[in-house]
Amino acid sequence: NAGVMQNPRHLVRRRGQEARLRCSPMKGHSHVYWYRQLPEEGLKFMVYLQKENIIDESGMPKERFSAEFPKEGPSILRIQQVVRGDSAAYFCASSPQEFPGGGAGELFFGEGSRLTVL
Amino acid sequence: RKEVEQDPGPFNVPEGATVAFNCTYSNSASQSFFWYRQDCRKEPKLLMSVYSSGNEDGRFTAQLNRASQYISLLIRDSKLSDSATYLCVVNGGGSGGSNYKLTFGKGTLLTVNP
Repeated sequence: NAGVMQNPRHLVRRRGQEARLRCSPMKGHSHVYWYRQLPEEGLKFMVYLQKENIIDESGMPKERFSAEFPKEGPSILRIQQVVRGDSAAYFCASSPQEFPGGGAGELFFGEGSRLTVL
Repeated sequence: RKEVEQDPGPFNVPEGATVAFNCTYSNSASQSFFWYRQDCRKEPKLLMSVYSSGNEDGRFTAQLNRASQYISLLIRDSKLSDSATYLCVVNGGGSGGSNYKLTFGKGTLLTVNP
């Protein structure tokens, strides 16, 4: 059973370009979360999605950032017109139900996509 | 006050040592508490959940004090492989239903030396 798959693992963009980060949740998981980790900072919640629905995007900047989780295919985090301050590790996580839910409530993270903006 | 605050570290200890990490959180409505482990440039992985009664998993013991809004992690008989950053994690809690929203501390770096 493959874990949460993220790609690309590393992405370099120049200021003003677009970055697209993809996340395939674990098999059987229909809830996806995106977190951002800035250098020397803790992970910060960005957005929570279920298939075809954005449940909570309160942690995502209003400008330039968008996320989707279509019926088919991976979840996409899109950053338009990137700036140097967008350089960070972007982690996707998934859960079979709304986390923490019942039981141990473990959140499974992908290995992250590291964005560098030149 | 930061939402989740941890010992700044870093901690450097010899193999076999006992080390304790402390964490405080500000949201009194939080209901779920965790310690995650993050290796250098890797993803966070759940180490253990933290329960009100305290819980133990092998060499690891977690404690929760809701009145003081304080969480701790104790590692006994440290191994080289315990070297990592330890993240204190608290869920959003509250009547708004944002239990899914996790708040992470900055983490405390532990290095176990031979």
